[in-house]
Amino acid sequence: TQLLEQSPQFLSIQEGENLTVYCNSSSVFSSLQWYRQEPGEGPVLLVTVVTGGEVKKLKRLTFQFGDARKDSSLHITAAQPGDTGLYLCAGRGQGAQKLVFGQGTRLTINP
Amino acid sequence: DAGITQSPRHKVTETGTPVTLRCHQTENHRYMYWYRQDPGHGLRLIHYSYGVKDTDKGEVSDGYSVSRSKTEDFLLTLESATSSQTSVYFCAISPDPKSNQPQHFGDGTRLSIL
Repeated sequence: TQLLEQSPQFLSIQEGENLTVYCNSSSVFSSLQWYRQEPGEGPVLLVTVVTGGEVKKLKRLTFQFGDARKDSSLHITAAQPGDTGLYLCAGRGQGAQKLVFGQGTRLTINP
Repeated sequence: DAGITQSPRHKVTETGTPVTLRCHQTENHRYMYWYRQDPGHGLRLIHYSYGVKDTDKGEVSDGYSVSRSKTEDFLLTLESATSSQTSVYFCAISPDPKSNQPQHFGDGTRLSIL
């Protein structure tokens, strides 16, 4: 069974600070996705990474896929209150029809 | 937004009663998924479907059954609800997971079993 461990599970920081969320596994994934979820809504895709070592940027968010495709990170620069939410990583194994989700990181950015 | 609707959005029922949740899509996507979301567990897959009448189990399928008689509808049934099935349930759709396209999620059903 493939597992994804996210850390930290909770993070509360001040506006303007930087932060990194980690998503780790002992398994290799064909691709990894990051989703963000607001209260009362379903998760929404932020990014998909598919190549080992790949880095993608989405405004102040930087996503990286580990060289061995077993881990990923999400870095937010100069966090803003609008970044508050639940961040979920999800991996797809080779040939798999389904995703495995991490436990999520609940991020709170205080003004 | 992807056309995906879950119903009901909220439900409170008693232990031992049957419950059916509905997921309806207007995107004609082949794949549909049912997840449950509990604190500290992220999203856990209950069952999924890869076509009409084609379904498979996920990691937490015990106590749940599903049916898909039409492309657009995917039903999740709790035959005899238990308090441990109190959760928020999400349906998701995808055209082809192997192409790394995203899953699009409904807004969830909050189910309370008393």
